[in-house]
Amino acid sequence: EDKVVQSPLSLVVHEGDTVTLNCSYEVTNFRSLLWYKQEKKAPTFLFMLTSSGIEKKSGRLSSILDKKELFSILNITATQTGDSAVYLCAVFMKTSYDKVIFGPGTSLSVIP
Amino acid sequence: GAVVSQHPSWVICKSGTSVKIECRSLDFQATTMFWYRQFPKQSLMLMATSNEGSKATYEQGVEKDKFLINHASLTLSTLTVTSAHPEDSSFYICSARTRDRPNTEAFFGQGTRLTVV
Repeated sequence: EDKVVQSPLSLVVHEGDTVTLNCSYEVTNFRSLLWYKQEKKAPTFLFMLTSSGIEKKSGRLSSILDKKELFSILNITATQTGDSAVYLCAVFMKTSYDKVIFGPGTSLSVIP
Repeated sequence: GAVVSQHPSWVICKSGTSVKIECRSLDFQATTMFWYRQFPKQSLMLMATSNEGSKATYEQGVEKDKFLINHASLTLSTLTVTSAHPEDSSFYICSARTRDRPNTEAFFGQGTRLTVV
């Protein structure tokens, strides 16, 4: 059965801390892995990863994929209260139709 | 980034009635649209995938006759919740992508909060 697992499920840190969010997957015919940030409504796109070992970076956020070990990490440095959100990992698969599975999400709370 | 518009953003309906939710891609041709539902404090659960011009592929456990999906054009997909019941109350979100650019992300609509009373 295809599945996406995220850890931790929730995390509370202080402003300025660095956090690492984990996403592991077991799917048939992997195509890409995406990270999203969800606050109150619809998720907003952060990164798409298709190749192993290539770090993607956007400001204080970065992410990398390991296709051999089947996982990805999302790093946030110098966290701010505005980083508080649920971070979702999603895996797209190559099938006869587009298929995507979302992980359960990591709820991050950044306190002043 | 590309824009996906979902309408309505919230709806309240009586039990037994049907509700239609629209998802439009405003500046690209969406060859694939995904429909999800999300319960409070839970992740997105894929309900179905629809490719333009063909029948939707439903995930296991999702009733096809209850959640009717139509993807008649490259810019519009609709989800109709038929004979809605209180347990159908949830947050429904669509996302869209195009096969012309396979390595692009799926763009999300704003979501629809459905409350069935």
